[in-house]
Amino acid sequence: GAVVSQHPSWVICKSGTSVKIECRSLDFQATTMFWYRQFPKQSLMLMATSNEGSKATYEQGVEKDKFLINHASLTLSTLTVTSAHPEDSSFYICSARTLADKETQYFGPGTRLLVL
Amino acid sequence: EDQVTQSPEALRLQEGESSSLNCSYTVSGLRGLFWYRQDPGKGPEFLFTLYSAGEEKEKERLKATLTKKESFLHITAPKPEDSATYLCAVLTGANSKLTFGKGITLSVRP
Repeated sequence: GAVVSQHPSWVICKSGTSVKIECRSLDFQATTMFWYRQFPKQSLMLMATSNEGSKATYEQGVEKDKFLINHASLTLSTLTVTSAHPEDSSFYICSARTLADKETQYFGPGTRLLVL
Repeated sequence: EDQVTQSPEALRLQEGESSSLNCSYTVSGLRGLFWYRQDPGKGPEFLFTLYSAGEEKEKERLKATLTKKESFLHITAPKPEDSATYLCAVLTGANSKLTFGKGITLSVRP
């Protein structure tokens, strides 16, 4: 149980284009999902908290107009990197909490983004 | 500001050589401490949650313990497949934010 998927697993795009990453909870409903970013040899940094049916809450220093988050259903949240630049290249990971356990976050497999 | 420090940064063990990974934390209002395992290029895999000092949890060769200032992940007789990065994270505050340490990269040689 508590399986989270992400799509795509990796993506290469040109500078200036937009990229959408999907995060799905496969066997449970998630009112809250989280988006993290991880640079090589670094730990996970929380970017934003996504709540179903409402606006996402962004961490300090994260541009909300650049990283658009939509949580349209209890099983799907999307992160769109708009006008991507090479410095946006990173490993993006989402997580979700089950309705029964509001403490534990279950993570997806991650999406590797390379912006050329 | 919540802080999580993991040590050592990297650990190399021989198969069967037991050891412990340390996670020390400075937080206000700890709601829970989590251990995750992360393999290269993958997302973190949940291992344990600890809520109060004195609590212990076990899973196969792993045992996690918690005090008021730190947590230990004990690995008994490790195998090469235990090689991974082990992440410690603390849950604090009403908004349930997880703050992660930098992780400990464990390498177990056969």
